[in-house]
Amino acid sequence: SQQGEEDPQALSIQEGENATMNCSYKTSINNLQWYRQNSGRGLVHLILIRSNEREKHSGRLRVTLDTSKKSSSLLITASRAADTASYFCAWGTSYGKLTFGQGTILTVHP
Amino acid sequence: SAVISQKPSRDICQRGTSLTIQCQVDSQVTMMFWYRQQPGQSLTLIATANQGSEATYESGFVIDKFPISRPNLTFSTLTVSNMSPEDSSIYLCSVGMTGSFTEAFFGQGTRLTVV
Repeated sequence: SQQGEEDPQALSIQEGENATMNCSYKTSINNLQWYRQNSGRGLVHLILIRSNEREKHSGRLRVTLDTSKKSSSLLITASRAADTASYFCAWGTSYGKLTFGQGTILTVHP
Repeated sequence: SAVISQKPSRDICQRGTSLTIQCQVDSQVTMMFWYRQQPGQSLTLIATANQGSEATYESGFVIDKFPISRPNLTFSTLTVSNMSPEDSSIYLCSVGMTGSFTEAFFGQGTRLTVV
């Protein structure tokens, strides 16, 4: 499959804990993005990391990218119940055409 | 950024019928894409909607089943034809802005149930 893999498939944690999700892809990329999806609806863009970047932060989010291993990770620190959602990595070509990973279902318990 | 309106937000359809989903963007965009998300699955690209020419379909998707129109730079439609229960999915419209390092913007999706 041209889709990559994400692990874990599901993650259940308590509020305040950190959540780490991993993504592997198969092709050369020029950027990798992470999205959140609540209740099977539209996707919300979280963060984009370019292929020449190794780490990027946005608020409680930290993304790393290792192009030699074709892998990325998303860390959510100090998680909240509102972070409960599905998280997808996606790698893109120019102009926004994306290939998505399988996704991680995150449940944060209050 | 871009704001995308997708209609309908959900529908329940009889097998053998067709449904047309509309995607309206608040600004002119170069690229528009249609994705399918089957229950419990990730997103899979159906096709790239090209303005003024035929859509470009991904492997496993054909024009007869998923005809696409793109009459201008702000609007596109996806039709799901001759539906079967296997077509029950969320269909999402997405747009990409020019440039190599840009995020894609998504509509809220159309949740289709075929009975």
